[in-house]
Amino acid sequence: GENVEQHPSTLSVQEGDSAVIKCTYSDSASNYFPWYKQELGKRPQLIIDIRSNVGEKKDQRIAVTLNKTAKHFSLHITETQPEDSAVYFCAARGGSYIPTFGRGTSLIVHP
Amino acid sequence: DGGITQSPKYLFRKEGQNVTLSCEQNLNHDAMYWYRQDPGQGLRLIYYSQIVNDFQKGDIAEGYSVSREKKESFPLTVTSAQKNPTAFYLCASSSRDGEETQYFGPGTRLLVL
Repeated sequence: GENVEQHPSTLSVQEGDSAVIKCTYSDSASNYFPWYKQELGKRPQLIIDIRSNVGEKKDQRIAVTLNKTAKHFSLHITETQPEDSAVYFCAARGGSYIPTFGRGTSLIVHP
Repeated sequence: DGGITQSPKYLFRKEGQNVTLSCEQNLNHDAMYWYRQDPGQGLRLIYYSQIVNDFQKGDIAEGYSVSREKKESFPLTVTSAQKNPTAFYLCASSSRDGEETQYFGPGTRLLVL
């Protein structure tokens, strides 16, 4: 089955800095890669996703890049703000239509 | 995400007791999922159902059971066989065709007395 590794587990940045979270996957058939943000005690919410036919996707301060050859994808957050503080999860979905999640990255943005 | 609900928000289980967590969606989604979340463990799949009257075990199904008698509902029972049930339980749903996005419910926190 699919295996998703996510790094780092904790990321601490100053307000205004950029943050990068990286994930690797094992199943070359995976074709859909969503990213979720989960605030403390709340439900995960989709913030951006990318499909395997696209190398990069951007939405305001958030971008995701995908390298199919290396089987890794990354979340980039620019100009971080304190409200970006949360746990971020990556996931990879292949032919089974069941996504596999990474273990999460706790992002802390210091004012 | 407003179309998927879970109840109760908090649930307390006594030793040897079975408890049932409710999950309802009005998004007309065919697929529904149950995840368990522990600190540092991410989201682990317990059971999923892609159509009414059919469901499959996920990675950590032992000690859990589900049913899918209606499209809108996918209740999860935590049985007495689950020796370490304390966790945050998340239900999700998605459309089988086209849109792949999973929408999550608000979660149920299960605690053992």
